[in-house]
Amino acid sequence: KQEVTQIPAALSVPEGENLVLNCSFTDSAIYNLQWFRQDPGKGLTSLLLIQSSQREQTSGRLNASLDKSSGRSTLYIAASQPGDSATYLCAVHFGNEKLTFGTGTRLTIIP
Amino acid sequence: SAVISQKPSRDICQRGTSLTIQCQVDSQVTMMFWYRQQPGQSLTLIATANQGSEATYESGFVIDKFPISRPNLTFSTLTVSNMSPEDSSIYLCSVGAGANVLTFGAGSRLTVL
Repeated sequence: KQEVTQIPAALSVPEGENLVLNCSFTDSAIYNLQWFRQDPGKGLTSLLLIQSSQREQTSGRLNASLDKSSGRSTLYIAASQPGDSATYLCAVHFGNEKLTFGTGTRLTIIP
Repeated sequence: SAVISQKPSRDICQRGTSLTIQCQVDSQVTMMFWYRQQPGQSLTLIATANQGSEATYESGFVIDKFPISRPNLTFSTLTVSNMSPEDSSIYLCSVGAGANVLTFGAGSRLTVL
């Protein structure tokens, strides 16, 4: 069964610190992996997409890495800000025309 | 990327009634997807809505409970039928945007009393 896991479920970090969110998946034969942000009661905002042939993608203070062999991806957030507080979801496209989502990490940045 | 508008943004409904959620996209798209996010849970795909053919439902979801329409390439509706409190969720519409990148609507938060 293709599964996506995100640990921890919740994380609190003081403002200004760098942090890493983790995502693991059970099948290394992926098509791509996507990180989303979800604010409370809202829809999803796509942050970064990594194709299976890529090792990392960067956008501003965000950097996502992909290691297919170990079934892992990380989302690195530099110099965290209170506005970064949200739930971060990892989603994997296993090549079967649908995304499988992790359960998310709820991030709180403490001012 | 495509811009998606969903209506209603939220609603409170009585047990046994039905609610139709609308999803409007600002460009033509081949595939539209409907997801459910139950409280404290991640997203689960309900079905894929294809223009001109029946929707494809995922395991655990049936057409009688979640009928879907896709009259054209920019619009789709999802109906939640005969609602119970267990149907209280956020329902999200999404579309592919090249290389299977998904863009999501803001979601419709449904509360069933």
